[in-house]
Amino acid sequence: DGGITQSPKYLFRKEGQNVTLSCEQNLNHDAMYWYRQDPGQGLRLIYYSQIVNDFQKGDIAEGYSVSREKKESFPLTVTSAQKNPTAFYLCASSNIGIKNTEAFFGQGTRLTVV
Amino acid sequence: GENVEQHPSTLSVQEGDSAVIKCTYSDSASNYFPWYKQELGKRPQLIIDIRSNVGEKKDQRIAVTLNKTAKHFSLHITETQPEDSAVYFCAAAVSGGYNKLIFGAGTRLAVHP
Repeated sequence: DGGITQSPKYLFRKEGQNVTLSCEQNLNHDAMYWYRQDPGQGLRLIYYSQIVNDFQKGDIAEGYSVSREKKESFPLTVTSAQKNPTAFYLCASSNIGIKNTEAFFGQGTRLTVV
Repeated sequence: GENVEQHPSTLSVQEGDSAVIKCTYSDSASNYFPWYKQELGKRPQLIIDIRSNVGEKKDQRIAVTLNKTAKHFSLHITETQPEDSAVYFCAAAVSGGYNKLIFGAGTRLAVHP
């Protein structure tokens, strides 16, 4: 079953704690992305990666970190420096190049700070 | 940086009417413009896309138009049905480059029977 999988679906974090959201894909896609979704604000890009061991900051990278040690995995860490982490987080992947650029999304992780 | 603006933020239509959602982008190098539909509680899914070498693309009741000069692109849904109710996102990217996909803020479409 090919696709992109995020885990967990729901995550609760105490203030001051770091948490890591998992994103795995078996679509053999080179590019992977993390977006944050808040009501009325659409999908805001946190980090993206085109190749293993390389990634770029998006528009709202502060308080987040990522790694890309394997092509199929792109975990996102929400650090204690992120002041308002409660949100819905979406991971996506796509091919790169001129064709076949459709981005496929995971089912999302809803993070709540308690 | 790159920016995609989307209007309107909410749209309410009667079943059978047409719906139009408009987006503008700031990066003139953008050459790939997808539209995603997100139903309540579900992940966004691609419904149609267009590349900069094409001015219009149609798929059944859905069409997208692109004006590169004005940096505008629009989604047109004809003969709307209640199942079209969802949040729609436009996006822009430079395909073939670093593939940074930037989304608009979304339009919540409600189709009333």
